[in-house]
Amino acid sequence: DGGITQSPKYLFRKEGQNVTLSCEQNLNHDAMYWYRQDPGQGLRLIYYSQIVNDFQKGDIAEGYSVSREKKESFPLTVTSAQKNPTAFYLCASSIWGTGGDTQYFGPGTRLTVL
Amino acid sequence: GQQVMQIPQYQHVQEGEDFTTYCNSSTTLSNIQWYKQRPGGHPVFLIQLVKSGEVKKQKRLTFQFGEAKKNSSLHITATQTTDVGTYFCAGDNQGGKLIFGQGTELSVKP
Repeated sequence: DGGITQSPKYLFRKEGQNVTLSCEQNLNHDAMYWYRQDPGQGLRLIYYSQIVNDFQKGDIAEGYSVSREKKESFPLTVTSAQKNPTAFYLCASSIWGTGGDTQYFGPGTRLTVL
Repeated sequence: GQQVMQIPQYQHVQEGEDFTTYCNSSTTLSNIQWYKQRPGGHPVFLIQLVKSGEVKKQKRLTFQFGEAKKNSSLHITATQTTDVGTYFCAGDNQGGKLIFGQGTELSVKP
């Protein structure tokens, strides 16, 4: 069953702790993306990767870090430097990483920092 | 930088009424995509428009791409409760990433 998986669906952390969100895809897509969604603000791009071992900052990369060691995996770390980390985080992938690609989204992780 | 603006932010309709959301880009787009996100769910691709003036239909949904390729619209005829959700447009900035609009949240009263 092909697709994108994100785990866990809900995540709670204490303020000041780093937390890593997982994203795995078995679609054989080259490109992967991380978005943050807040009410009324749509999708904001955090980081994206068009190829293994390479990634680019999106519009709101401060306080986040990523790695792309494998084609299938693109984990996102929310660091303690992120001022307002509570949000809904969506991972997506696309075939080549060109702007015309359709993006396929995972189910998302809702992070709450207490 | 490139911006994609979408209006309205919210739309409440009675079931059976029509609905339209509009998307405007600050720059010319090579293509535009539309996604739907159901409440509590994730965005799902609906359609892509590439040609100037293009119109595509999916049952009760009609998508248009402007002649100048800077604006687009999604029109739903005779809304149903299954249409509830947030509709996003996303423009291609030719830099390997899509720029998403803020979305229009549609609620339908039965």
